[in-house]
Amino acid sequence: DAKTTQPPSMDCAEGRAANLPCNHSTISGNEYVYWYRQIHSQGPQYIIHGLKNNETNEMASLIITEDRKSSTLILPHATLRDTAVYYCIAVTGNQFYFGTGTSLTVIP
Amino acid sequence: GAVVSQHPSWVICKSGTSVKIECRSLDFQATTMFWYRQFPKQSLMLMATSNEGSKATYEQGVEKDKFLINHASLTLSTLTVTSAHPEDSSFYICSAAGTGETQYFGPGTRLLVL
Repeated sequence: DAKTTQPPSMDCAEGRAANLPCNHSTISGNEYVYWYRQIHSQGPQYIIHGLKNNETNEMASLIITEDRKSSTLILPHATLRDTAVYYCIAVTGNQFYFGTGTSLTVIP
Repeated sequence: GAVVSQHPSWVICKSGTSVKIECRSLDFQATTMFWYRQFPKQSLMLMATSNEGSKATYEQGVEKDKFLINHASLTLSTLTVTSAHPEDSSFYICSAAGTGETQYFGPGTRLLVL
């Protein structure tokens, strides 16, 4: 699986969009990009995933660059409950190898 | 949909005893289940992958005789930590996947070995 690189921490004002970047420059053509988040002392929660096209669901949007070497998770209107560690994972097959993620703090 | 439960949510045991953790997919059939371990302030580490009715595949460095995994049905997998020691104290998390790659995670089990 391709290694992913994320900033260790970010802050975002409540109500504003949170844009979380992920670098996966060695991703291969059949690797999906998955995003999960983990609120303290809980199991990870699935957010969204994509292969080439941008994706949107009720939680977030995923923007993948044309060369697929990076992606951005967008939480359109961050709330205090979005404070968590966000993991970006490049996946082939069914095994997930988590990196260190980005700790997002939403500030009132 | 896609709810995964774990039991117990926390357990305290004496050194040398064995502890069993259950992972259930409540509203879907899990072709594959996974077990992870997470130490404080660290990321999740994949321990093993199990398919229903087959032996689990363990990641490098994970002792299969210490961490026994059974995946007897499409909705239940168990992890038994045998002869637990204080260094096995950790947060154990399972996940389940149906026919696709998306994994749905349980809430985790916190194990403290005294």
